Amino acid sequence: EAQVTQNPRYLITVTGKKLTVTCSQNMNHEYMSWYRQDPGLGLRQIYYSMNVEVTDKGDVPEGYKVSRKEKRNFPLILESPSPNQTSLYFCASSPTGVGANVLTFGAGSRLTVL
Amino acid sequence: RKEVEQDPGPFNVPEGATVAFNCTYSNSASQSFFWYRQDCRKEPKLLMSVYSSGNEDGRFTAQLNRASQYISLLIRDSKLSDSATYLCVVNMNNYGQNFVFGPGTRLSVLP
Repeated sequence: EAQVTQNPRYLITVTGKKLTVTCSQNMNHEYMSWYRQDPGLGLRQIYYSMNVEVTDKGDVPEGYKVSRKEKRNFPLILESPSPNQTSLYFCASSPTGVGANVLTFGAGSRLTVL
Repeated sequence: RKEVEQDPGPFNVPEGATVAFNCTYSNSASQSFFWYRQDCRKEPKLLMSVYSSGNEDGRFTAQLNRASQYISLLIRDSKLSDSATYLCVVNMNNYGQNFVFGPGTRLSVLP
C-alpha cells in the first residue's frame, strides 16, 4: 500500500530532551515536507526537501532540523524541544514534475513538550 | 494579504442541503489547485484536484476561475459524513513544489 509512515504517533517529552520524529514514504517521491498544525493557525510548513541532500526552510523552521540522506526518509529533529513546539505534526510527500502533483500525508504525530 | 484565503465558516447545514465554499489565491502564476478534506485531528486527504474546465465527482463539483484567482467547491445533497474541515490548497510552482494551504472551512452537517 502506498503510504507515508510517521513515528511516533504520540509522544510526551520534557523541555530540552532531544527527539526525532521519523517519516518514511514508499512511493519514490522526490518531494517531502513537514508541517505543524495548531488551533486557529492552520497548517504551517517547517522544512521541505526537493530531493536527496536538498532541504530548505519553510515558514516556521526555528527549533527544528531535518535531513534527507535517502529518498524515502525525512526525519524531523527537535534538538532542544520547548513547550511552544507542542503541536500536531504531519509529514507529506509528492512526486515532482509538470502537472497537478498531489500531496500525500502521514497520519500525524502529536507531540507534547512539558 | 494571505496567499490563500477561504470562507471563515463554520457552516452548519441540514442534511440534504447544498453548500458552497470559496477560496481565493494571491499568486496569479499558481499552477495546481486542490481541495483536501480533514477530519478532526487526522491527516488531510485529497478530495479532488481542480482543473481549469471544472470537474465533478459525484456530489462534489469544483470550479476554477484563473482570471479572478478564485476556486470553489460545491457539495450537493450533504450527508452527515461530509462534516469535516475543507482545505483549499494551491501549488504556486509548477515544476518545483510550493504548496500553500488555506486556513480551512469547517462544515457541520446536522440531522
